[in-house]
Amino acid sequence: AQKVTQAQTEISVVEKEDVTLDCVYETRDTTYYLFWYKQPPSGELVFLIRRNSFDEQNEISGRYSWNFQKSTSSFNFTITASQVVDSAVYFCALSGYSGGGADGLTFGKGTHLIIQP
Amino acid sequence: NAGVTQTPKFQVLKTGQSMTLQCAQDMNHEYMSWYRQDPGMGLRLIHYSVGAGITDQGEVPNGYNVSRSTTEDFPLRLLSAAPSQTSVYFCASSHTARGQLYGYTFGSGTRLTVV
Repeated sequence: AQKVTQAQTEISVVEKEDVTLDCVYETRDTTYYLFWYKQPPSGELVFLIRRNSFDEQNEISGRYSWNFQKSTSSFNFTITASQVVDSAVYFCALSGYSGGGADGLTFGKGTHLIIQP
Repeated sequence: NAGVTQTPKFQVLKTGQSMTLQCAQDMNHEYMSWYRQDPGMGLRLIHYSVGAGITDQGEVPNGYNVSRSTTEDFPLRLLSAAPSQTSVYFCASSHTARGQLYGYTFGSGTRLTVV
């Protein structure tokens, strides 16, 4: 069975601080994909990034960066110079992928990020 | 606009009633899936499909049925609604290209209340 753990239920920081959201996963699949989604107060789910299990390169997109470490089964997300608009619930998710295709997403319980002005 | 369309956006049911939540995508995605979101629980997978005619159970399938007769549509049926099925339901779709799985696109959700 797959499992995704986001140990931080809620994080509150002051604007312009850097913040890291942790994600640890468990899977027996050799090939899998990891994702981060943002859910703002309006409720929609916004795709941020995906990473496959064979690509451990870190990625940076503007103020966002992701650190994938297969050795520790972690896929952490850092926001640099946080802004009030970053306030949202962030979900880490995992999808197994085999010859039969992708088997849907297993989500963590989410981290509620509050950026105070 | 291309994307995942869910209907209805809101629904109130009485215990024991049945209904179908609709989900349609116009992106020719092979993968579709249903999730429910409950406070403090994140999103949990109900059922998923890897293509027309193929479905499988997720983490919380009890009380729900699905079918996938076309690539575009993936309806979720509640057979006999219970208060425990009060939740926000999301449908999502994805695809592969050049051997890579792409990010899932989500619908805007259906807020279901069972009284």
